[in-house]
Amino acid sequence: AQTVTQSQPEMSVQEAETVTLSCTYDTSESDYYLFWYKQPPSRQMILVIRQEAYKQQNATENRFSVNFQKAAKSFSLKISDSQLGDAAMYFCAYRRHIYGGSQGNLIFGKGTKLSVKP
Amino acid sequence: DTGVSQDPRHKITKRGQNVTFRCDPISEHNRLYWYRQTLGQGPEFLTYFQNEAQLEKSRLLSDRFSAERPKGSFSTLEIQRTEQGDSAMYLCASSSYTGPLTQYFGPGTRLLVL
Repeated sequence: AQTVTQSQPEMSVQEAETVTLSCTYDTSESDYYLFWYKQPPSRQMILVIRQEAYKQQNATENRFSVNFQKAAKSFSLKISDSQLGDAAMYFCAYRRHIYGGSQGNLIFGKGTKLSVKP
Repeated sequence: DTGVSQDPRHKITKRGQNVTFRCDPISEHNRLYWYRQTLGQGPEFLTYFQNEAQLEKSRLLSDRFSAERPKGSFSTLEIQRTEQGDSAMYLCASSSYTGPLTQYFGPGTRLLVL
């Protein structure tokens, strides 16, 4: 069974600084997707960034980028120029690739709570 | 695109009562997922629908739980004879059938069983 591990329960960053959140996963499959979701306090979960395992190039979305190391099964999120609005729980998630109608549910880590200091 | 909506946002009930939650997915999405999130944990998969067909159920979904999506649009999740251990956030997500199948989440229904 696939598992996702986030080893940092809490992280803190100074506003305008850079922070990296760690995620490792375990799978025997070669094709899959990885995601980072953000869940602000009392607000809904939103997608931050997505990485397809077959793509070697790391995904980027504005101030958010990932370091995807497939062999090491590592998928870290880097947030540059941190803003107060980045404060939230961040969840790393895995989803197997869909072939012939498999369910495609997400498997989440336990999350990392990010605080941003002004 | 109005996003995924869920109703109610909060529910307080007494142990043994039945509760029902509703999820309205993004209109063009034919896949719909239910997850449960307890305090300090990531969401855990409960069940999923493709159109009106319920294609997968997690072992977390005991026989007190039932989900429907009668017309392939909105979905309901019912919990019968609620227990204190059912207290959690119930999240709904939807996705299209093609492409990366990115799931978009609703705001959740927070259930407290007294």
